[in-house]
Amino acid sequence: EDQVTQSPEALRLQEGESSSLNCSYTVSGLRGLFWYRQDPGKGPEFLFTLYSAGEEKEKERLKATLTKKESFLHITAPKPEDSATYLCAVQLISGSRLTFGEGTQLTVNP
Amino acid sequence: DAGVTQSPTHLIKTRGQHVTLRCSPISGHKSVSWYQQVLGQGPQFIFQYYEKEERGRGNFPDRFSARQFPNYSSELNVNALLLGDSALYLCASSFRDRRARQPQHFGDGTRLSIL
Repeated sequence: EDQVTQSPEALRLQEGESSSLNCSYTVSGLRGLFWYRQDPGKGPEFLFTLYSAGEEKEKERLKATLTKKESFLHITAPKPEDSATYLCAVQLISGSRLTFGEGTQLTVNP
Repeated sequence: DAGVTQSPTHLIKTRGQHVTLRCSPISGHKSVSWYQQVLGQGPQFIFQYYEKEERGRGNFPDRFSARQFPNYSSELNVNALLLGDSALYLCASSFRDRRARQPQHFGDGTRLSIL
């Protein structure tokens, strides 16, 4: 069965304290891995798509990487406005549906 | 440009009633997907429609149905509502189906509460 697991469930950082979120997956035929940010009461906001092992994408303080078994979302010198739930999702070759992990709730304290 | 719009934003129903949720995709997007997100969990796939045809269905009972209109907007219908149907219902659109490697963009959802 296809599985997506995110860790940690929750993460508290001080402003400027860099860290990484993990998304591990067990799937048959990965087409792409997606990272989304979700604020309370809002829908997920698209951040990155990664398609092949070794690929990296960057946007401001965020950098996403992909291996054959997992993806990392690195947050460099985070600010309080980076506080949100970060979701990763996989899309298989066989279809368009996204299979999401449970998310990591990130809190950045000033 | 307008993003994915969903209506209504909030809805309160009682058990046994039915509900219709509506979604307008981003202009030019032809694929619409529906997801259910229970509090504290990741979204779960319900349906995908592309060019008015059902292209995928998740593990949800037959009480859930959907359709897509010629203008690519979509409706999600849920009959015989149960308490467990309380959730945030998200609509996502993309330009094409999976073969074009397009990310899905989400609306802010409809918060459905069942009493």
